Amino acid sequence: DAGVIQSPRHEVTEMGQEVTLRCKPISGHNSLFWYRQTMMRGLELLIYFNNNVPIDDSGMPEDRFSAKMPNASFSTLKIQPSEPRDSAVYFCASIQGQNNEKLFFGSGTQLSVL
Amino acid sequence: QQPVQSPQAVILREGEDAVINCSSSKALYSVHWYRQKHGEAPVFLMILLKGGEQKGHEKISASFNEKKQQSSLYLTASQLSYSGTYFCGTVSSGSARQLTFGSGTQLTVLP
Repeated sequence: DAGVIQSPRHEVTEMGQEVTLRCKPISGHNSLFWYRQTMMRGLELLIYFNNNVPIDDSGMPEDRFSAKMPNASFSTLKIQPSEPRDSAVYFCASIQGQNNEKLFFGSGTQLSVL
Repeated sequence: QQPVQSPQAVILREGEDAVINCSSSKALYSVHWYRQKHGEAPVFLMILLKGGEQKGHEKISASFNEKKQQSSLYLTASQLSYSGTYFCGTVSSGSARQLTFGSGTQLTVLP
């Protein structure tokens, strides 16, 4: 199995530009999570989907952030417009089954907004 | 609400032991432990379910006291490869799959 696949690995953009991060979960996993990691705030849960449906997006910082999961094998996290404070590593992770299953993380996207 | 981890950082010599603690203000369904190396994604270590169980993997073990809403990770006879940041993640009872991570404990093992 290829694991959780994220793209791009690195993204450098200018303030005000739109940024789209992509994630392909492990086949058969029915829950997908987006996390943001910074030195100051650690690993923050932004949103999670179960069976492609957004269950909790209370961690999404602002309306500038949006996430979609059009099918079981693909999800996007979009930031529009981007700001320097959005600079962070964004991880996607997927899980199969119930709460007592381990989370499989993608390699992350290092986002730098100049 | 984010679980609280302590200590924030630990430095020890190869072969020494360490304990990392994790506590929550909410009733917990499960506690997860992950380790992250610099520049890499977090990697799963173990999950503990409510019921006060204790688990182990080689020389790394953990306990979960659901009454106190606390978990501890024990690293015995540490190896250089144990260096990294350890995160506890908690799933609160009733929160359905929402894994919230603590701020992490940076562990450095010196030769």
